Amino acid sequence: SAVISQKPSRDICQRGTSLTIQCQVDSQVTMMFWYRQQPGQSLTLIATANQGSEATYESGFVIDKFPISRPNLTFSTLTVSNMSPEDSSIYLCSVAGGGGTGELFFGEGSRLTVL
Amino acid sequence: GENVEQHPSTLSVQEGDSAVIKCTYSDSASNYFPWYKQELGKGPQLIIDIRSNVGEKKDQRIAVTLNKTAKHFSLHITETQPEDSAVYFCAASMRGAQKLVFGQGTRLTINP
Repeated sequence: SAVISQKPSRDICQRGTSLTIQCQVDSQVTMMFWYRQQPGQSLTLIATANQGSEATYESGFVIDKFPISRPNLTFSTLTVSNMSPEDSSIYLCSVAGGGGTGELFFGEGSRLTVL
Repeated sequence: GENVEQHPSTLSVQEGDSAVIKCTYSDSASNYFPWYKQELGKGPQLIIDIRSNVGEKKDQRIAVTLNKTAKHFSLHITETQPEDSAVYFCAASMRGAQKLVFGQGTRLTINP
């Protein structure tokens, strides 16, 4: 299993500002995933972050809006840039379990409210 | 791309009764089907998964069935307990943990 810590757990932000979410894992992992969960909605994959390379973004998500850093095998950040109320969501960091099990482990999420 | 539909969106059952949540997927190449439970204020947690070479899998009170021909899979919870109250998500993927596509979620409420 993996223990994932996210900061901040929640924040209230002003329109037009940017916020960086940090994700720390208790073990080294190759891939980290960032998901968005809009209020009462499902989880949508934003991007996959590999250490030492550019993140791979899913359709509908762009690097200018959601820049990601992956400086080492235990840490990643997601920035939500130039925020609008539509960005109010829970942002979740996740990693895949070892051994090719396919299991995803999630952090507890960062709940952002944009006013 | 893959599309996963989940029903119902809300489900209320009496404690001790069974609950069934159903999902359909669109891409016949998908071969991994996990179910996640999300409690209030927490991240989703895997409760059971099934791969396309198996038709049914059971873990104590929880079971998952898969019909590849019809492209649907279901979660069955028996002898429900209050702690089963949560939001449940199904998902599908052809690449394991990568590119998981989630269903819309089912809010399950167990009434005492």
